[in-house]
Amino acid sequence: AQKITQTQPGMFVQEKEAVTLDCTYDTSDPSYGLFWYKQPSSGEMIFLIYQGSYDQQNATEGRYSLNFQKARKSANLVISASQLGDSAMYFCAMREFEISGGSNYKLTFGKGTLLTVNP
Amino acid sequence: DGGITQSPKYLFRKEGQNVTLSCEQNLNHDAMYWYRQDPGQGLRLIYYSQIVNDFQKGDIAEGYSVSREKKESFPLTVTSAQKNPTAFYLCASNLQGLYNSPLHFGNGTRLTVT
Repeated sequence: AQKITQTQPGMFVQEKEAVTLDCTYDTSDPSYGLFWYKQPSSGEMIFLIYQGSYDQQNATEGRYSLNFQKARKSANLVISASQLGDSAMYFCAMREFEISGGSNYKLTFGKGTLLTVNP
Repeated sequence: DGGITQSPKYLFRKEGQNVTLSCEQNLNHDAMYWYRQDPGQGLRLIYYSQIVNDFQKGDIAEGYSVSREKKESFPLTVTSAQKNPTAFYLCASNLQGLYNSPLHFGNGTRLTVT
């Protein structure tokens, strides 16, 4: 079974509008963290935002926010006021702590969503 | 500026040849990782290392080898045993001991084997 599922292969949004990119995850570990990355066409991976499983509030970072619904195991990325430069692949990733013995910090990635911002 | 340097950006090889991808970081990070990216597949973990002279297999280690002789360097060798080596390879690093430590990535090496 996939640990990270991103069900939207592609999304379109008008410039200046908000968009939500979906991410659901599967883990039995009570301690985990969720990360979102942006990958422009140039290929580099840019870290956007982090949400810990015990965090009481949804994470926010500038125009990025995370809609974290723990019971549903979803961690959707919300981008407000979309800009043309937001056009990129977006990846959701998870780190499990207790399963890894607390010493393994690798990330498991979803397959990504290609976001296109239209002018 | 600190960062991760991967070289070369593009690499072309003939089938049957081994090839080594370079990854150097000056972030003083303990842990380093190699991921492979194929279209529509997301990133898959090849190998990772949490300390010098130690490394572990990831999910798709067959046909690859690594070494970690220095903290700053984590080269990846794609051997002739790797059946489908053409892909985009990303190196990453992060701090150990911080559960919220994101991975910092290099700009990647695009390998084409014909």
